[in-house]
Amino acid sequence: SAVISQKPSRDICQRGTSLTIQCQVDSQVTMMFWYRQQPGQSLTLIATANQGSEATYESGFVIDKFPISRPNLTFSTLTVSNMSPEDSSIYLCSVSRDIDSGANVLTFGAGSRLTVL
Amino acid sequence: AQSVTQLGSHVSVSEGALVLLRCNYSSSVPPYLFWYVQYPNQGLQLLLKYTTGATLVKGINGFEAEFKKSETSFHLTKPSAHMSDAAEYFCAASSSGGYQKVTFGTGTKLQVIP
Repeated sequence: SAVISQKPSRDICQRGTSLTIQCQVDSQVTMMFWYRQQPGQSLTLIATANQGSEATYESGFVIDKFPISRPNLTFSTLTVSNMSPEDSSIYLCSVSRDIDSGANVLTFGAGSRLTVL
Repeated sequence: AQSVTQLGSHVSVSEGALVLLRCNYSSSVPPYLFWYVQYPNQGLQLLLKYTTGATLVKGINGFEAEFKKSETSFHLTKPSAHMSDAAEYFCAASSSGGYQKVTFGTGTKLQVIP
């Protein structure tokens, strides 16, 4: 299965600043997904990123706040813009590991833990 | 839309005891179901999945889960807990067919007491 590297693994940021999270996959993948993991809450899908097209955002997430780039089949970035303490969370990159049996099995990076002061 | 409910945000068991983590889903049609495990400072890893066929699914590390359509449940079990099982476990569901959105439960932290 694919190996996913995320950077940074953690960061402490000031309110009002922006931070870009990088996700590198060791093989070419069609679809990449960005999730947010908040304490006590389920993983929430932010957006789906396909190479060569605009990312598709879930309800409650907008491109101005979470711009995503997908320049090639092995790399994506998520920017958290104009951060507030409410954005403190773990952000996870994932890819579809395979579609055997028609199931979307996901592989995840280790996550990027952001704390906004 | 799918929703997944995990009963109990924290579960404690003694080493060697049965592990039972509960998961219920809400769907108009039987979904595909998954259990993922997350060890500290690591990404989620797939434990097992149910798509079609046999309703009792075996996964890695001795875990298994049974799909019960009548109860809309997919509980995760392991006969004998090991210290290394301490982690957070997430139940998830998706519709069938390709790159469907995966919906996760809120997770259950398993503590194993020596």
